[in-house]
Amino acid sequence: QQQVKQSPQSLIVQKGGISIINCAYENTAFDYFPWYQQFPGKGPALLIAIRPDVSEKKEGRFTISFNKSAKQFSLHIMDSQPGDSATYFCAASTTSGTYKYIFGTGTRLKVLA
Amino acid sequence: GAGVSQTPSNKVTEKGKYVELRCDPISGHTALYWYRQSLGQGPEFLIYFQGTGAADDSGLPNDRFFAVRPEGSVSTLKIQRTERGDSAVYLCASSLVGGSGLTEAFFGQGTRLTVV
Repeated sequence: QQQVKQSPQSLIVQKGGISIINCAYENTAFDYFPWYQQFPGKGPALLIAIRPDVSEKKEGRFTISFNKSAKQFSLHIMDSQPGDSATYFCAASTTSGTYKYIFGTGTRLKVLA
Repeated sequence: GAGVSQTPSNKVTEKGKYVELRCDPISGHTALYWYRQSLGQGPEFLIYFQGTGAADDSGLPNDRFFAVRPEGSVSTLKIQRTERGDSAVYLCASSLVGGSGLTEAFFGQGTRLTVV
């Protein structure tokens, strides 16, 4: 029940295309859903996060879509650029209690120039 | 410092040895987390500190792993009798837990531990 399932494992997109990464969770106590971007040799860095009181959040080229009833959320990267090539992790947490993040297994994105 | 700092960045140790990994969180951050990331995997939760106390250590894999945060700032992850399976990147993160609950967690660059 603590798992967060992420797909696909890897993704190749042409420059200018849309990258879509999906995550699903089971624990209905989760109420904070961040996406992290990680470059090789670096720690994860927060991209964008959403709480379940909204169905969508957009920041620049990055959008999270959230479906509370389906317990799914996704990251959309519009106008994907080669500099977006990285590994992306979804995560889930609660805003009460121990606040620990449960991470997905990651999606390795490659954007072709 | 401006971000979460972890030292050393790389550590190679022999099987059976003891290692300590250090984390300097962002100043003023009350919450501190340790995660372990194996190759090709997402970060796996180990332990969470709120202030000086371990609020949740449910992710520590066994009693060879121990972490402290004696003054509510710097934390040390200690691994006894290291095994080859302990090889991974150990990530530390900190966040400011305010009245509204969780805020963004900032990660360090990690310590790559290799047990030979």
